[in-house]
Amino acid sequence: EPEVTQTPSHQVTQMGQEVILRCVPISNHLYFYWYRQILGQKVEFLVSFYNNEISEKSEIFDDQFSVERPDGSNFTLKIRSTKLEDSAMYFCASSIGVETQYFGPGTRLLVL
Amino acid sequence: GIQVEQSPPDLILQEGANSTLRCNFSDSVNNLQWFHQNPWGQLINLFYIPSGTKQNGRLSATTVATERYSLLYISSSQTTDSGVYFCAVGKGFKTIFGAGTRLFVKA
Repeated sequence: EPEVTQTPSHQVTQMGQEVILRCVPISNHLYFYWYRQILGQKVEFLVSFYNNEISEKSEIFDDQFSVERPDGSNFTLKIRSTKLEDSAMYFCASSIGVETQYFGPGTRLLVL
Repeated sequence: GIQVEQSPPDLILQEGANSTLRCNFSDSVNNLQWFHQNPWGQLINLFYIPSGTKQNGRLSATTVATERYSLLYISSSQTTDSGVYFCAVGKGFKTIFGAGTRLFVKA
C-alpha cells in the first residue's frame, strides 16, 4: 500500500540554523500538508499546498517557514532560522482531494 | 476559528470493555477524520466521516453534522488500542485537531 515517507526521522540542530524537512507524498495525491506536534500536545496545522501554491496557512506559519515542491515527488518544509520552540515532531500528509489525509511517520526536530 | 473539543481527556479500560469517545466542533465543516496515535507517535487513519456512520471491525464512528459532533466507538478493547485518539475537522484546506483522548487498556 502506498505511503507517505519523510526524511530524516530525527534531526538535531543548533538555534539559528536552517533546516529542511523532506516528504514524499503518495504519488497520485494532489494536496499536501505540514503539521507539527510539540511533545505531549495536540497536532497543529501549519500549511496546505495545492497546484504549487499555498492554499491555507496558520498563524504559526510565519516568515521563518517556507514550503516547496521542487520536483514531481518531493515536498519540503524549510525553517530559516530555528528557535528552541521549533522543537517538535513535524508531520507531512497528503490527500487526493478534500478528504482522507494520509500522514507520514514524522521528523523529530530538536533545536539546541 | 473552529474549536474542537474531545472528551474524555483520559480513559482507562480493562481489556474487553467498550468505550465511546466524543468530538464536538463549533462550526460546520466539510471533512472530519478520526486518528489513532500509537505509542511510537504514528498517526493512523481510522475514519474519514464528515457525516453518517461507518464501521471497521471493532471500531465504528458516527458524525451528526447538523449537531456538530462525532462519536468513536471501540468495542471489546485490546491492549493494542492504547494510545491517543484524535478528531480532526476541516473547513477548506485547514484542518484543526482536538486535544485528543488518551486511552490506556489494561490486560
